[in-house]
Amino acid sequence: GEDVEQSLFLSVREGDSSVINCTYTDSSSTYLYWYKQEPGAGLQLLTYIFSNMDMKQDQRLTVLLNKKDKHLSLRIADTQTGDSAIYFCAERRGSTLGRLYFGRGTQLTVWP
Amino acid sequence: SAVISQKPSRDICQRGTSLTIQCQVDSQVTMMFWYRQQPGQSLTLIATANQGSEATYESGFVIDKFPISRPNLTFSTLTVSNMSPEDSSIYLCSVVSTGEGYEQYFGPGTRLTVT
Repeated sequence: GEDVEQSLFLSVREGDSSVINCTYTDSSSTYLYWYKQEPGAGLQLLTYIFSNMDMKQDQRLTVLLNKKDKHLSLRIADTQTGDSAIYFCAERRGSTLGRLYFGRGTQLTVWP
Repeated sequence: SAVISQKPSRDICQRGTSLTIQCQVDSQVTMMFWYRQQPGQSLTLIATANQGSEATYESGFVIDKFPISRPNLTFSTLTVSNMSPEDSSIYLCSVVSTGEGYEQYFGPGTRLTVT
């Protein structure tokens, strides 16, 4: 199919690391993005990775990209209760601006 | 990053009526995008709005149902026409930056409930 796949739920304890996984569909995707959506809020862009990179780190966030398996992951170190939200991965296929293909989102719950 | 505002933030509408959603961006942009997020689902692109030309609609979306205006480079409206309960969704406006990552930013969304 054409869907971007994510597991729907993840629960972690405060202070632990969270790893959110995503499988995308198009091997020619140029950019891959992670968004965060808190209850009642819009989408906040967290980070992105270009397809010629394997890893990108930004403070507590680490993105890993495996192009061979079309697998993307977002690791959140030292997860806090404020990180509880829905996390979406999205891919940009080809050169078309503005058209992103999203997964259904992973609900991250952080327990104190 | 772009700052995007939308009005209204939420609304409850009767079946058969129409609602116009406004999107304002704090900088001039060539293209603006409208997305829909149905309950528990991913986001789906409805259409791309360019200033001075007709919007380009994605498969499954038509102009009669979702007319779009783009009167200038910082503003756009999306109308949801002849609403039914299936139109209950979050509607989000989006823009793309010209930075190296072509970061895409979203407005806070308009939560529409059709009864």
